[in-house]
Amino acid sequence: AQTVTQSQPEMSVQEAETVTLSCTYDTSENNYYLFWYKQPPSRQMILVIRQEAYKQQNATENRFSVNFQKAAKSFSLKISDSQLGDTAMYFCAFMKHNNAGNMLTFGGGTRLMVKP
Amino acid sequence: DAGVTQSPTHLIKTRGQQVTLRCSPISGHKSVSWYQQVLGQGPQFIFQYYEKEERGRGNFPDRFSARQFPNYSSELNVNALLLGDSALYLCASSFVVSYNSPLHFGNGTRLTVT
Repeated sequence: AQTVTQSQPEMSVQEAETVTLSCTYDTSENNYYLFWYKQPPSRQMILVIRQEAYKQQNATENRFSVNFQKAAKSFSLKISDSQLGDTAMYFCAFMKHNNAGNMLTFGGGTRLMVKP
Repeated sequence: DAGVTQSPTHLIKTRGQQVTLRCSPISGHKSVSWYQQVLGQGPQFIFQYYEKEERGRGNFPDRFSARQFPNYSSELNVNALLLGDSALYLCASSFVVSYNSPLHFGNGTRLTVT
């Protein structure tokens, strides 16, 4: 079974600054996928960024980038130029490389507050 | 195109009652998954269905059941409700069940059991 741990229950950052959210995971799988999801007060889970474990290059999506350390089983999210709209819960999630299903295992979440 | 739609938005039930939650996937999506999100925690996987067949089941008691209809919509049923079943229930759809098929989530149903 896989476990995902987010050790920062809450974080805050000033608008326009950079913040990094931490995530570690435990798995015996070699092929898998990692995700960061954002959940604003509207409750809808929104995919922020995705990383394939077999890729050494860290994924980047505009202001969002990850630092994927496979040996350390670490997957942190960096948000650059933070905006007020980034205020939300952020969840790290794991998915096995599996054509039979695409189930996610989520961490406990980090609440991010962007301050003006 | 409409996203994943869930109904109702909010629901209040009494212990021991039964509840049915509904989900309509994005048009063209053939898989529906259900997650339970207790307040202050991350979502936990309950069920996944694809082409009306169960593809996965999480660690939930038999009081939880689900099904998928020919139009790919889905229902989640919970019997003999307990206070601990109070949570946000999220539905997600995907085109297929491959790792390469991203999940799209709805806004959830907030269930309160009193």
